[in-house]
Amino acid sequence: EPEVTQTPSHQVTQMGQEVILRCVPISNHLYFYWYRQILGQKVEFLVSFYNNEISEKSEIFDDQFSVERPDGSNFTLKIRSTKLEDSAMYFCASSEGTYTDTQYFGPGTRLTVL
Amino acid sequence: GDSVTQMEGPVTLSEEAFLTINCTYTATGYPSLFWYVQYPGEGLQLLLKATKADDKGSNKGFEATYRKETTSFHLEKGSVQVSDSAVYFCALSDRQVTGGGNKLTFGTGTQLKVEL
Repeated sequence: EPEVTQTPSHQVTQMGQEVILRCVPISNHLYFYWYRQILGQKVEFLVSFYNNEISEKSEIFDDQFSVERPDGSNFTLKIRSTKLEDSAMYFCASSEGTYTDTQYFGPGTRLTVL
Repeated sequence: GDSVTQMEGPVTLSEEAFLTINCTYTATGYPSLFWYVQYPGEGLQLLLKATKADDKGSNKGFEATYRKETTSFHLEKGSVQVSDSAVYFCALSDRQVTGGGNKLTFGTGTQLKVEL
């Protein structure tokens, strides 16, 4: 069964450093998402991406964040200058279509900012 | 804005007990509703969904009915097993007129622990 994959599973970085989290969505899916889950809190939407552009972003997704689909398979989230409060589990998801279609989630990348 | 409210956890049950996890929502449009499950150390997996009022989603013995009149989507299972121990998230996806994907709004999650 196709699945969303994410690398790395765990990333440790120093405050102020740039990190890139990588995702490979399911191959025939057209919509891509990033969510984050701070430990013990709810899963929060960051950004959605369709047709090579951002279709919606949350207030969390400020200028420090960017997304890219550099080739036909990868979907990346870059945090330019990490802060302590960026420590969280980051989930990538993809779906075939829009609101009625299931979003399939990857296993997540745990980001720890020291 | 859209929001989802779930009952507080953790919920501890004995095996074969009946499970209900309450979920209510607020949305401006006509949302689709989902239950996702997160097993320890894993990502989110879709458990079931319902896309319109009175629809019932079901999977692996779990059920939830989309109740527009009470804006609810409560999760139920008649007989839980130890393997059902996980965190359960209620979520909604509100409809958009135009394309471009649609974010999920999640509840806070309810941890379920099932004991022998």
